[in-house]
Amino acid sequence: AQTVTQSQPEMSVQEAETVTLSCTYDTSESNYYLFWYKQPPSRQMILVIRQEAYKQQNATENRFSVNFQKAAKSFSLKISDSQLGDTAMYFCAFMKHNNNDMRFGAGTRLTVKP
Amino acid sequence: NAGVTQTPKFRVLKTGQSMTLLCAQDMNHEYMYWYRQDPGMGLRLIHYSVGEGTTAKGEVPDGYNVSRLKKQNFLLGLESAAPSQTSVYFCASTRQGSGANVLTFGAGSRLTVL
Repeated sequence: AQTVTQSQPEMSVQEAETVTLSCTYDTSESNYYLFWYKQPPSRQMILVIRQEAYKQQNATENRFSVNFQKAAKSFSLKISDSQLGDTAMYFCAFMKHNNNDMRFGAGTRLTVKP
Repeated sequence: NAGVTQTPKFRVLKTGQSMTLLCAQDMNHEYMYWYRQDPGMGLRLIHYSVGEGTTAKGEVPDGYNVSRLKKQNFLLGLESAAPSQTSVYFCASTRQGSGANVLTFGAGSRLTVL
């Protein structure tokens, strides 16, 4: 079974600064998808960014980017120019290609301080 | 466009009572999922469905049953609730095919079992 590990239960960052959230995963698969989801206090799960394992180029979405290291099985999320609205729980997730079982990490609670 | 709608949003049960959580999606998605979220453990898959009339077990299926009689609805049942089932439950859906795997989540249902 695939496992996803987020080793930082809580992090904080000053507004406008950059922060990196860590995620590692364990799999024997070669083709899969990785995700970062954001869960603000409203509890709604929101997709932040998605990476396909066969693509070497790191995904980016505006202020959000990932550092995907396939050999190291690492998938970190970088948030640039942090905003107060980025305060949330962030979950890293893994899904095998053509599989329906998405596995989540335990989450990192990020607080952006003014 | 409502997306994924869960009812009820909150429920308190006594041990041994039964209840059903309803998930409805209006996006014509083939795949639907039920997750539970517990502190420090991220989201764990309970059951999922790849189409009308089909269901499958996920990571933590014990104590739950599901049904997918209509494509747009996915029901999660607790026949005899236990305090260990106190959790926040999330329904999600996604379409089939290339470019899929991006889950759309409902707003969650908080269940307390006394």
